[in-house]
Amino acid sequence: AQSVAQPEDQVNVAEGNPLTVKCTYSVSGNPYLFWYVQYPNRGLQFLLKYITGDNLVKGSYGFEAEFNKSQTSFHLKKPSALVSDSALYFCAVRDTGYQKVTFGTGTKLQVIP
Amino acid sequence: DTAVSQTPKYLVTQMGNDKSIKCEQNLGHDTMYWYKQDSKKFLKIMFSYNNKELIINETVPNRFSPKSPDKAHLNLHINSLELGDSAVYFCASSLLDSGAGVGYTFGSGTRLTVV
Repeated sequence: AQSVAQPEDQVNVAEGNPLTVKCTYSVSGNPYLFWYVQYPNRGLQFLLKYITGDNLVKGSYGFEAEFNKSQTSFHLKKPSALVSDSALYFCAVRDTGYQKVTFGTGTKLQVIP
Repeated sequence: DTAVSQTPKYLVTQMGNDKSIKCEQNLGHDTMYWYKQDSKKFLKIMFSYNNKELIINETVPNRFSPKSPDKAHLNLHINSLELGDSAVYFCASSLLDSGAGVGYTFGSGTRLTVV
């Protein structure tokens, strides 16, 4: 079985400050991990993924995520938040050898001007 | 434009009716998905097809029936609509994962409201 948890329903951060959106996962094998962003009334957009290799993954719009195997986490980060980053962020996981991707419950990011 | 396109974007219908949502992708992907997003924004997989073959079929009422005439299309038909079916339905596509951990491309959603 696989699962993913996003412990924060909402994260507020001031514009220009660093942001972190948390994600932890559970798989029986090795994980494929993803972050997606959803703007209002839009579909999800792929941001970045971790498959193997370097634990720090860089993605679109200046976002990055750090894979931590010992903590089973894959937190999304950005050094300097923009108001336009305000959106709903989903973490997702897929266990290797398993076709289904499981999405987290989403975290609403609010960047305050 | 290369994309996943869904029609209609909005659908308002009465309880008991039968309706269909269409999805098409021109990305050359071989796998397509239907997800349901409820009012709390939870996303749940419903179905997945690879080259017209059903590969994921979650616990979904059998009033929901997917149809994939070819690998570029995946339609969703819903019979006897109920109030609880109101949600946003997202179509997505990808290449079947061969170990690359592919990301999905989502359509912009169909907001279904059952009254």
